[in-house]
Order: sequence, then C-alpha cells, then structure tokens
Amino acid sequence: ETGVTQTPRHLVMGMTNKKSLKCEQHLGHNAMYWYKQSAKKPLELMFVYSLEERVENNSVPSRFSPECPNSSHLFLHLHTLQPEDSALYLCASSQGLADSYEQYFGPGTRLTVT
Amino acid sequence: GQNIDQPTEMTATEGAIVQINCTYQTSGFNGLFWYQQHAGEAPTFLSYNVLDGLEEKGRFSSFLSRSKGYSYLLLKELQMKDSASYLCAVRDRNYQLIWGAGTKLIIKP
Repeated sequence: ETGVTQTPRHLVMGMTNKKSLKCEQHLGHNAMYWYKQSAKKPLELMFVYSLEERVENNSVPSRFSPECPNSSHLFLHLHTLQPEDSALYLCASSQGLADSYEQYFGPGTRLTVT
Repeated sequence: GQNIDQPTEMTATEGAIVQINCTYQTSGFNGLFWYQQHAGEAPTFLSYNVLDGLEEKGRFSSFLSRSKGYSYLLLKELQMKDSASYLCAVRDRNYQLIWGAGTKLIIKP
C-alpha cells in the first residue's frame, strides 16, 4: 500500500465509449502524474500537475484529457480510444518536482480497448 | 535523443549476488532512481543517486558514475521475493524523469 489508489483496476471499453480513470493520493503531496506502461517499453509520462496546475503535456493525443480538481485527486478522461491505447495506466505522486523527490505509484488501471 | 539502456532479462540463483546495469544518455543530469516492480503491482522506490559512488541500503546497493553515464543496482543474498522488474530512471535538465524499459529478474532456487 503506497498511499496512492486508482480506480477502476481493470477497464474494457469500446472505441466509441467515454470513461474516466480516477487517482487519489493520501500522502499530502503537491505533484501528481499520469503514466502509460506498455509491455517491454519504458514508462511514458503523459501529464504532470503541480499544485493543481498542469506543468507538462508530452504530446499526448487529445482523446486523453486530464483533470486535477484538487491536490489529492487526478482524473484521466478517455474518449474515442484506439486499440493501441490498451496498456497499464499508472498514477503517481511526489512531494514536489525537485530532484530527489521519489514518486509513489498507484497499482494502475489495466485498460483494454476493443 | 534521450536513452536509457538496461538488459531485458536476467536470471540468478537464490542466495547469490546479481548486478543490474543501466547506461544513460540524457540532456543534463539531476539524479538517477531505481524502482522495483512486481508483476501486476505498482513500481516502488528503491534508491536515488545524484553524486558518484555507492549508496548502500541493506541488501541493495546502487552505484553511479556520472562521467561514464552508468549506474548499477547490486542485490545481495537474493531471495525468491526479489523476482521482479527493476526500472532505472534519470532526471534530465528539465527535471523530467526518463525511464528505461526495465530488467526482469528471475530468481531460481
């Protein structure tokens, strides 16, 4: 238990569906992240929020839309996804963005797009 | 481009020692992290190096040479529960974490 929770843990959706992934951190951290993890590939950073403001958007397709309503919650809204978007989506938080702050990860949402 | 290289898979014997290497080419350097990820679970933080040398933490140690763009994670007295993927990540000059694809470590009895 890392103090970061994600729901749902598994999600199967069609290409025309709209769904949302939820992340909550109970650590009092100021920064939150969304990552995509595909088999045998490096973690891909998607979005970074610091103090509820987006500070990074790594050329992610617009079919992924993040939302950070407060410092404890982070959402990833999904719509009209493609089969290649099937992956493990990990949320993480850290105390801040500085050098030595390690990230604490949630268990991930395993997404399958059919 | 930025690149982190790690072996894809390694096998070791219970009770032995294993060294997992990581080489990196990044735009700037602001620290290197090692994470452990068991199958189906979240990555968990193991170590952080920003200065050259060896950092020891129980059975696990991490070494860094900035001039060589090289790090290793050393695991001693291997246990079956150490079977996992080990991820190397470097923070670049823009403070972004660049990740390696991970090394899957298989421990045999």
